[in-house]
Amino acid sequence: GAGVSQSPSNKVTEKGKDVELRCDPISGHTALYWYRQRLGQGLEFLIYFQGNSAPDKSGLPSDRFSAERTGESVSTLTIQRTQQEDSAVYLCASSLGGLAGGGTQYFGPGTRLLVL
Amino acid sequence: GQQLNQSPQSMFIQEGEDVSMNCTSSSIFNTWLWYKQDPGEGPVLLIALYKAGELTSNGRLTAQFGITRKDSFLNISASIPSDVGIYFCAGQGGSSNTGKLIFGQGTTLQVKP
Repeated sequence: GAGVSQSPSNKVTEKGKDVELRCDPISGHTALYWYRQRLGQGLEFLIYFQGNSAPDKSGLPSDRFSAERTGESVSTLTIQRTQQEDSAVYLCASSLGGLAGGGTQYFGPGTRLLVL
Repeated sequence: GQQLNQSPQSMFIQEGEDVSMNCTSSSIFNTWLWYKQDPGEGPVLLIALYKAGELTSNGRLTAQFGITRKDSFLNISASIPSDVGIYFCAGQGGSSNTGKLIFGQGTTLQVKP
């Protein structure tokens, strides 16, 4: 069956440009998470969606970061005016979810973002 | 952001040896998880622990959820070359009910055939 997919797999951009990263979760999974992984580090939580709502945005590092989810399916993470410190792998995960966002999280392969 | 303290940072062992890694936290969690990440891939769940004191095995992997709910360890017995990768612990629950995971910094395992 299809797992979590993300696109693009790699993105190189210039400082100051905006980028959009896409996540297609497993069909039927109501919970969706975005994480950031800097080189040689663990994953850092960014934002959590339950359905199309985002009850926890506490991990977004600045107002340059935003995300949306539509149709209880696809999610887009947008980074405006990219900075070099935004360079990282951005990972998406989905789970069956529920009121407490529980269930095993299945991760996509990530988008590798490099800001020059 | 908040992270767990995971050690060791890296290990280089001979095939057939046993491996042990652990994680500690200043906060309690309701669930502890262990993931493995291969190059260019997302993490894959190895073991999930739901009760304080729980000891769970999955093949050659054994993990325990500490009694205080602030720590966990993962053991790999009789290592093989395909065990190479980065292992992450993650905590879930506790003060948050959104299911978000708090990760350790990872343990990089290399196995010499």
